[in-house]
Amino acid sequence: RKEVEQDPGPFNVPEGATVAFNCTYSNSASQSFFWYRQDCRKEPKLLMSVYSSGNEDGRFTAQLNRASQYISLLIRDSKLSDSATYLCVVNNAGNMLTFGGGTRLMVKP
Amino acid sequence: DAGVIQSPRHEVTEMGQEVTLRCKPISGHNSLFWYRQTMMRGLELLIYFNNNVPIDDSGMPEDRFSAKMPNASFSTLKIQPSEPRDSAVYFCASSLTKDQPQHFGDGTRLSIL
Repeated sequence: RKEVEQDPGPFNVPEGATVAFNCTYSNSASQSFFWYRQDCRKEPKLLMSVYSSGNEDGRFTAQLNRASQYISLLIRDSKLSDSATYLCVVNNAGNMLTFGGGTRLMVKP
Repeated sequence: DAGVIQSPRHEVTEMGQEVTLRCKPISGHNSLFWYRQTMMRGLELLIYFNNNVPIDDSGMPEDRFSAKMPNASFSTLKIQPSEPRDSAVYFCASSLTKDQPQHFGDGTRLSIL
């Protein structure tokens, strides 16, 4: 089993739709969780951290479910500019960050 | 503030040649990471340094790959001899500590002919 697993997608959604991605992780002792965004032919960039109580940043909401070992990212009112690959990141047993394979999102007009 | 700086941005060379990729981490960051990204395998961690010391190089594919960090502001990833299957985007990233968010450079697009 991979340490961090994501549905690769692509998720094709119309503009204005709400879309959610899940990510599962294998290390029950993980303490750090992040979502990164990677645009085509660009470097990954930190989108947001994920806190135990859940957190929101504008149209983006991140949640953590420790019991089921997954984190989620919800995007409301999606924009064309949200089209990208979203990478789930979790710290592993060595307390180092491990990146998931990414979920590709395509928002269409 | 300057981010992670990588050079060159693009490299095209013939197989068998030596390739050297360079990285300048963000000042004050203690951890530095080298990644390789391909369509097939996604983002793979090759090696990481903590306070200039290589900690985990289990991701380095084979002996043709080597990495150094002679000081806190510079690291190199060397491939010798290079092979076509080494073609990928190579990213360098740095963070305050190994479990803090990583900041990536623009990457080096490497093509081995």
